Amino acid sequence: AQTVTQSQPEMSVQEAETVTLSCTYDTSESNYYLFWYKQPPSRQMILVIRQEAYKQQNATENRFSVNFQKAAKSFSLKISDSQLGDTAMYFCAFMKHGGARGGGATNKLIFGTGTLLAVQP
Amino acid sequence: NAGVTQTPKFQVLKTGQSMTLQCAQDMNHEYMSWYRQDPGMGLRLIHYSVGAGITDQGEVPNGYNVSRSTTEDFPLRLLSAAPSQTSVYFCASSRRQVNYGYTFGSGTRLTVV
Repeated sequence: AQTVTQSQPEMSVQEAETVTLSCTYDTSESNYYLFWYKQPPSRQMILVIRQEAYKQQNATENRFSVNFQKAAKSFSLKISDSQLGDTAMYFCAFMKHGGARGGGATNKLIFGTGTLLAVQP
Repeated sequence: NAGVTQTPKFQVLKTGQSMTLQCAQDMNHEYMSWYRQDPGMGLRLIHYSVGAGITDQGEVPNGYNVSRSTTEDFPLRLLSAAPSQTSVYFCASSRRQVNYGYTFGSGTRLTVV
């Protein structure tokens, strides 16, 4: 079974600085997807960035980028130029590749326990 | 675009009562799922569906039922509420190409007393 571990329950960063959130996962699959979701105080789950395991290039979305180390099973999120609006809970998630209708656990998101990020003014 | 709509947003139930959490999406997504979020545990999958008429159990299905009679709707039924079901519930949907990620509803905070 796949597991996702976020070892930092809470983190704090000063506005305009850079912060990195850690995520490791355990799987025997070779093809899968990884995601970072943001949950602000509004409770809404917002997709921040995604990575396909077969792609070696690290994904980037504006100020958000990942460091994907497939051999180490590591998927960290870097937030550059942190803003007050980045204050939120951040969840790392894993999904096995696939999609055959009705076949296998190919559309299940497995979440880590989250990292609460506070951006300080 | 409404996206994924969950109702109600808040609910208080007494132990033993039943209720249905509603979830509807207007994006013609094939995949829909229900998660519960508890402090320190992240989100855990309750039930999921890969299309109308097809449902399956997730990680924590006990005490919950689902059905998927249409592509748009995926209600979650609590048969006999227990305090252990106090949680925040999220419905999510995705197109079949799941690498684009799931779209989540705004959640339902349920308290069972």
